[in-house]
Amino acid sequence: QQQVKQSPQSLIVQKGGISIINCAYENTAFDYFPWYQQFPGKGPALLIAIRPDVSEKKEGRFTISFNKSAKQFSLHIMDSQPGDSATYFCAGSNTDKLIFGTGTRLQVFP
Amino acid sequence: NAGVTQTPKFRVLKTGQSMTLLCAQDMNHEYMYWYRQDPGMGLRLIHYSVGEGTTAKGEVPDGYNVSRLKKQNFLLGLESAAPSQTSVYFCASSRVQGFDQPQHFGDGTRLSIL
Repeated sequence: QQQVKQSPQSLIVQKGGISIINCAYENTAFDYFPWYQQFPGKGPALLIAIRPDVSEKKEGRFTISFNKSAKQFSLHIMDSQPGDSATYFCAGSNTDKLIFGTGTRLQVFP
Repeated sequence: NAGVTQTPKFRVLKTGQSMTLLCAQDMNHEYMYWYRQDPGMGLRLIHYSVGEGTTAKGEVPDGYNVSRLKKQNFLLGLESAAPSQTSVYFCASSRVQGFDQPQHFGDGTRLSIL
């Protein structure tokens, strides 16, 4: 009931390509779905977040697609760059709890 | 503006030793959190605080204690360290109440228990 399942565990993308990371949640009470980006040796930093009243949110090259009926959401990184190489965590939350996915290590090669 | 600062950055302990991890934030945030990050398991909440003098248990609180004597500081204590507590520990803070709000993380403390 509390899990947020994230896939893939790792992802290799060519520069300029599209990176797609998927998450699925179980708790229908979740109403906030953030994505955090973490570089090696650093803490996670909020990248983009969505609430279930919209199906898509875009900020620059980063887009969240949200499917409430399927309880799934995904992060799309357009025109992926080597500087995007990091670990990405999705999460589901409400006012009482925040549950993270297990992370996706993205490597973007020139 | 440093944000969230964690000390120390690295530490090696022997089983049974005790230590305190310090988290300091200069953003005047009311809410602070301690997480542990283990390979393949994401981040798990240990304890959190909704204000000075208050603390509450998270998902994995056993073996840890916390204190929030000052608004800007949140301490995580290990009374008797165990190898299972080998992990990377992250502190975070948020301005607005609720887990459905953005959190600001420090850069972590890497702790090894031998």
